[in-house]
This record gives sequence, C-alpha cells and structure tokens, in this order.
Amino acid sequence: GQNIDQPTEMTATEGAIVQINCTYQTSGFNGLFWYQQHAGEAPTFLSYNVLDGLEEKGRFSSFLSRSKGYSYLLLKELQMKDSASYLCAVRDMNKAAGNKLTFGGGTRVLVKP
Amino acid sequence: DVKVTQSSRYLVKRTGEKVFLECVQDMDHENMFWYRQDPGLGLRLIYFSYDVKMKEKGDIPEGYSVSREKKERFSLILESASTNQTSMYLCASSIRTVSDQPQHFGDGTRLSIL
Repeated sequence: GQNIDQPTEMTATEGAIVQINCTYQTSGFNGLFWYQQHAGEAPTFLSYNVLDGLEEKGRFSSFLSRSKGYSYLLLKELQMKDSASYLCAVRDMNKAAGNKLTFGGGTRVLVKP
Repeated sequence: DVKVTQSSRYLVKRTGEKVFLECVQDMDHENMFWYRQDPGLGLRLIYFSYDVKMKEKGDIPEGYSVSREKKERFSLILESASTNQTSMYLCASSIRTVSDQPQHFGDGTRLSIL
C-alpha cells in the first residue's frame, strides 16, 4: 500500500516563495504527480517527477528524491491566484494498475497581500 | 484539450435510494476512475476501469458499483445510498500506458444524502 503525508495548511505573502513537502512510504513507486485544486473546482495537473532531481515549469518547480521518499513543490513569486490546495499523488508500481494514483490529503495554501 | 464531463454538479438524494453518477470523456482514454474527496482525507479511489466492461476495486469500494459499457462513459452507482456517502465525487480519465501523462479530472459532483 501507499502512505503519503503533506502539511494540512500553509500561509505565505504575495511575492514570496513557499515550499510544500510530500513524503511517501510505498510498496512500489512509478512516478509522482502534483495537482492544483481551487475551491469547488477540478484538480489540474502541475508537474510530474519519476527520476531524482528538479523539474522547473515557470514559477513552479518540483523536486524528487526516491531514496528518501520525498518530494516538494516550490511556488515562487506568489500571486493571490495561487491560493488553492496542492495535492501530491504517487503512482503504483503495479503495471496491471495502469495509471492508478494514491493521493495525499492535500495542502491548502493561503496567499495574503 | 481533454474534457471530462460529470452529469451533475450538485445532487440531493434520500437514504436508501439508488443513485447514478455519470462521467463522459472525449479523448478516447482507456482508463477511467472514480474518487471521493472528503476534508482531511484527500482523494480516495473507489473504482477504476482500464477497458470497456472491465473494472477493478479501488481502496474504498464498499457500497458502490460501476459500469463501463462504452469506452467514453463510466458510471458510479450507489446501490442504497447512506448518509456517510455524502461527499464530493470526482471522475478522472487517462491513457493506459504508464507515462508522464496525468489523469484529467471532471469538475465533480457534490452529493448530499439526506
């Protein structure tokens, strides 16, 4: 099975940087996804990591260390519209499970002026 | 753009009713998923399907069933609704191959069981 932990809530100031950590203990690992979810809306895909290291996409970056079972999502130059929940999800190693994901509880980020 | 459409945004039903939640995707995806989302618990997988007429139990299948008669449509059925099934239900789809392609989600159905 999978166990995924991330903080429940974080607060940051507009223009600042926030780092959302995600730790996982899994029976198998085949990639980690980050999603953004605004209140009342669908989760939308942000980033994907399967190898160790940093993936950068504009203001958002995601890091993975497979040996430590650890990832983080870095949000730079925070904007008010970044206030949302951020979901960490790990893909199962079992090929028969296809693209089955297990999600953490989500981190709600509040950006203040 | 991938479009995943759920039939209702809000639904109110009574205890004991049989409830159908419908999901349609327009990208010819093989995989489809049903999740429920509850505060503090995140998204939990109820059932998924990797092909027409195929289904697999997720982490919390009790009290639910599914139907996949056509590739584009995946239905979630609450056989006899109970108040603990009040939740946000999210449908998702993806290609079959394990890759960097993510699951794409619908807008969700907020279901209340009275």
